[in-house]
Amino acid sequence: SQQGEEDPQALSIQEGENATMNCSYKTSINNLQWYRQNSGRGLVHLILIRSNEREKHSGRLRVTLDTSKKSSSLLITASRAADTASYFCATPFLPGGYQKVTFGTGTKLQVIP
Amino acid sequence: GAVVSQHPSWVICKSGTSVKIECRSLDFQATTMFWYRQFPKQSLMLMATSNEGSKATYEQGVEKDKFLINHASLTLSTLTVTSAHPEDSSFYICSARSDRVNQPQHFGDGTRLSIL
Repeated sequence: SQQGEEDPQALSIQEGENATMNCSYKTSINNLQWYRQNSGRGLVHLILIRSNEREKHSGRLRVTLDTSKKSSSLLITASRAADTASYFCATPFLPGGYQKVTFGTGTKLQVIP
Repeated sequence: GAVVSQHPSWVICKSGTSVKIECRSLDFQATTMFWYRQFPKQSLMLMATSNEGSKATYEQGVEKDKFLINHASLTLSTLTVTSAHPEDSSFYICSARSDRVNQPQHFGDGTRLSIL
């Protein structure tokens, strides 16, 4: 089944630094989504980038998409301790006539105050 | 933003008990709802996809008779873990989306199920 893979698996940085996470996927997509999960909680949608977009911004978040390389990156600028969480990319696809989303393995980000 | 409510958030019960988990979309019509299972420090594993008014589509390896899914309305889907055993202990998360193109999923806060 289609699944994104995030890289790195874990990342530890100091508060104020930037954090970059990468995602690779396998087949064609119409959009790619990034989510955040705090420990023991559900996922929070961060940003959706369409296949015809190359870059998108939302506050301190910047997402890029390279469909030729089947990869995306999430940049969090000026990180804060509250950004500590796991981050997942998700790629929807249309097997059997319905749309479902599968998630990558995630990047666990730790921001040290 | 869109809100999905999942209930209960935490369940502890004896082996053999059936447990029902509810997932409600509070401010939008959820054409499709998804049920995931997550083991500690791992990603979400999609269990099944349900569309309102039709039978759920289960992923390979997920037992239909074990995990009963009902999506009777555009705002409610339920997952029933039947005759639960300790190996069913996990974190279960639902999500919902509308039928509009290029829309994200909205997630509940998850249910931590512990079977003794």
